[in-house]
Amino acid sequence: DTEVTQTPKHLVMGMTNKKSLKCEQHMGHRAMYWYKQKAKKPPELMFVYSYEKLSINESVPSRFSPECPNSSLLNLHLHALQPEDSALYLCASSPRGAGVREETQYFGPGTRLLVL
Amino acid sequence: AQSVAQPEDQVKVAEGNPLTVKCTYSVSGNPYLFWYVQYPNRGLQFLLKYITGDNLVKGSYGFEAEFNKSQTSFHLKKPSALVSDSALYFCAVRVRTGTASKLTFGTGTRLQVTL
Repeated sequence: DTEVTQTPKHLVMGMTNKKSLKCEQHMGHRAMYWYKQKAKKPPELMFVYSYEKLSINESVPSRFSPECPNSSLLNLHLHALQPEDSALYLCASSPRGAGVREETQYFGPGTRLLVL
Repeated sequence: AQSVAQPEDQVKVAEGNPLTVKCTYSVSGNPYLFWYVQYPNRGLQFLLKYITGDNLVKGSYGFEAEFNKSQTSFHLKKPSALVSDSALYFCAVRVRTGTASKLTFGTGTRLQVTL
């Protein structure tokens, strides 16, 4: 089973709201990732957690705050977003940690976010 | 910078014909190359990867890819296209960043398979 789940599927929020995106995997994977994808563009990496520690932050604005409470769960907390942050947010995981380059990343279905 | 390029925004083929989606890479050292497919309003699905070994890699749904070191290419192929193959295809390379590594994607190629 290579399933990564994401909730909610869709989210509409105002610029003053606080919301969170959730990602879960029960495959025992030790690396988890957040990507942002604008329409008709490739995914862009935001954050990487490896063994529950933040390994990569791709200079993401502080209005996005990641959290990895345990090895199965990854959250993305959103606060004071801008309309240009509207996008598909994808979560992914890989088995043995983010330093293992030959490993496959498995993606969830994404959360489509609209910021009004 | 280590990267991949997909020179075609769109590829159109008729059902039953062979298809090729092109990808070239620019990588120092050994390349770790991946192909993903994305259907509308969905996440990315892994198709196949090249790590080392045989230059012809077989993957999911009848897809295969040929790694060509001299031409720095990793083209995705399928002998007989299906209408259901119509989707957005991404080539990607895994690059090291400090102690971690990340996927860097090409710009994507939209495949349209017609009846």
